[in-house]
Amino acid sequence: DVKVTQSSRYLVKRTGEKVFLECVQDMDHENMFWYRQDPGLGLRLIYFSYDVKMKEKGDIPEGYSVSREKKERFSLILESASTNQTSMYLCASSTSGGSNTGELFFGEGSRLTVL
Amino acid sequence: LAKTTQPISMDSYEGQEVNITCSHNNIATNDYITWYQQFPSQGPRFIIQGYKTKVTNEVASLFIPADRKSSTLSLPRVSLSDTAVYYCLVGDSHTGFQKLVFGTGTRLLVSP
Repeated sequence: DVKVTQSSRYLVKRTGEKVFLECVQDMDHENMFWYRQDPGLGLRLIYFSYDVKMKEKGDIPEGYSVSREKKERFSLILESASTNQTSMYLCASSTSGGSNTGELFFGEGSRLTVL
Repeated sequence: LAKTTQPISMDSYEGQEVNITCSHNNIATNDYITWYQQFPSQGPRFIIQGYKTKVTNEVASLFIPADRKSSTLSLPRVSLSDTAVYYCLVGDSHTGFQKLVFGTGTRLLVSP
């Protein structure tokens, strides 16, 4: 089975702290994604990456950055956390090309609270 | 990117068939229609995908009319465990579905 693992299920941070959310997938997928999910707003794409060291902005990249140094790992970074970044963060991966369905495999999520 | 519109919520009872319709008026030629299911405190999970006509798997059926401007997810004989949020997405196979846009989904509540 495909496994997408997020490093922390629950985090509590203070305003202004630097926050790292780590995600690792074990299926050699090319694409990796970070979403945030808030009540009433559904899932919104923050950043995605289709290859090592490549990244593309999603719909809401402001206040976030990402790093993809290895194919299996995609990190989301909050340089200076703010209270409006309190949310559930979901990492996903998928493979590309050919006749694949583009199926996204999600991790269990990281619930971040910024005080 | 094609935008989708779904009902915010639906109620059903165990054993009934549930049909959730999604509209996607500006779907593009290369777009596929995909549905995901999400339980509380979990990431979404792929249910089914189609391009046109009808697709069926062990979990659901997907009906897509000829104009492809809408689609209907059909869940036969739902159970309490089908209570979840269901998302309809359209995505471009040529880009590897890299920018799938999730809407707010349809919250299905199945009662005894």
